[in-house]
Amino acid sequence: EVQLGESGGGLVQPGGSLRLSCAASGFTFSSYAMGWVRQAPGKGLEWVSSISGSGVSTYYTDSVKGRFTISRDNSKNTLYLQMNSLRAEDTAVYYCAKGSEKQQLVYDYWGQGTLVTVSS
Amino acid sequence: EIVLTQSPGTLSLSPGERATLSCRASQSVSSSYLAWYQQKPGQAPRLLIYGASNRATGIPDRFSGSGSGTDFTLTISRLESEDFAVYYCQQYVSSPRTFGQGTKVEIK
Repeated sequence: EVQLGESGGGLVQPGGSLRLSCAASGFTFSSYAMGWVRQAPGKGLEWVSSISGSGVSTYYTDSVKGRFTISRDNSKNTLYLQMNSLRAEDTAVYYCAKGSEKQQLVYDYWGQGTLVTVSS
Repeated sequence: EIVLTQSPGTLSLSPGERATLSCRASQSVSSSYLAWYQQKPGQAPRLLIYGASNRATGIPDRFSGSGSGTDFTLTISRLESEDFAVYYCQQYVSSPRTFGQGTKVEIK
């Protein structure tokens, strides 16, 4: 059974940093692209970043480029999102998601999310 | 950046009725790289459709997707109680892989 579990969210002051982790199990982690999608309170979904199975290729939405870094440790079956220079508008539930079997650019399994709150 | 506009914002229907949701892209989504997701309150999204018309594993056949270019449609042939939720389209032909703003399907 595929399982994704995010951790690392919490309250942080503007300008601060957080590192989110996503522990994966139930599939061959290194064979699949992974991504982060966020949802601000009461708002819609926003794609944040994605990474190829090997970790070589990474992609970001414009608003986080230069501030967030996606990475993965295939030996630990874990996905990360390092978030620096956090802003109030980064407040959201952050979901990690797995690329699907037939089309790795869409996400067929999602974690339950971790809440990041940026506030003084 | 490709902007996706979903309509209507809210759809009020009764169980058993047909739901038709629209997703319009600001530029062509080539190779039909468009997906649909369902999200219920307090839950993570669920993949319904990829490649504009392919149902994801385990998705009932009352859900169907169609369209190409800039105009895409998600149809739910007969609404069941568990289908009342918010639906999002997403393009993945180019980065950033944008989502639409969502359509809420609510019970009339």
